[in-house]
Amino acid sequence: EAGVVQSPRYKIIEKKQPVAFWCNPISGHNTLYWYRQNLGQGPELLIRYENEEAVDDSQLPKDRFSAERLKGVDSTLKIQPAELGDSAVYLCASSFEQGGLNEQFFGPGTRLTVL
Amino acid sequence: AQSVTQLDSHVSVSEGTPVLLRCNYSSSYSPSLFWYVQHPNKGLQLLLKYTSAATLVKGINGFEAEFKTSETSFHLTKPSAHMSDAAEYFCVVSGKKGGGADGLTFGKGTHLIIQP
Repeated sequence: EAGVVQSPRYKIIEKKQPVAFWCNPISGHNTLYWYRQNLGQGPELLIRYENEEAVDDSQLPKDRFSAERLKGVDSTLKIQPAELGDSAVYLCASSFEQGGLNEQFFGPGTRLTVL
Repeated sequence: AQSVTQLDSHVSVSEGTPVLLRCNYSSSYSPSLFWYVQHPNKGLQLLLKYTSAATLVKGINGFEAEFKTSETSFHLTKPSAHMSDAAEYFCVVSGKKGGGADGLTFGKGTHLIIQP
């Protein structure tokens, strides 16, 4: 079974440039998460989708970050414009939720460096 | 609100000796607790989870953890360390507000070093 796929794996951009990350969750998983992991820290939740609906985006900096999951499968996270402090690893995870708390499966992440 | 505190940023043990990674939690709800491992340049992998069943939870690769309400702790242990255990370990809590999915709250991580 294929795991969570993310691309690109690495991205280097200059500040004020836009950037986008893509995530393909495990087939059949209805819930998708985006996390940000700063160097030396644990991941922090940015946004959670149940199917195509964003049910928790309270930690997403909405002035420059946006996300979408139009058909309830793939998702894209965008930053525009990027700032130096956005340098981090962006992780995507997915799970199949049936009212209980089921395991989240994580992708390898996209490492963003903003110069 | 919920949070976890990993008491050690780094732990170093010799191969073949026991491992203890400490974690305390705080939650307004009956929590679910997890331990995840992250090897360099690899995705996070679930080691084990506690979801209000048995308080002693067994996971993969010989790891286990015990949920102690009185101490609000969920320490991770392994009887005998292996070189392949060297990685970053995260203690994680998720609140269940009447059930349903929730984002995970991660600790800052403990870097486990295995000495040959």
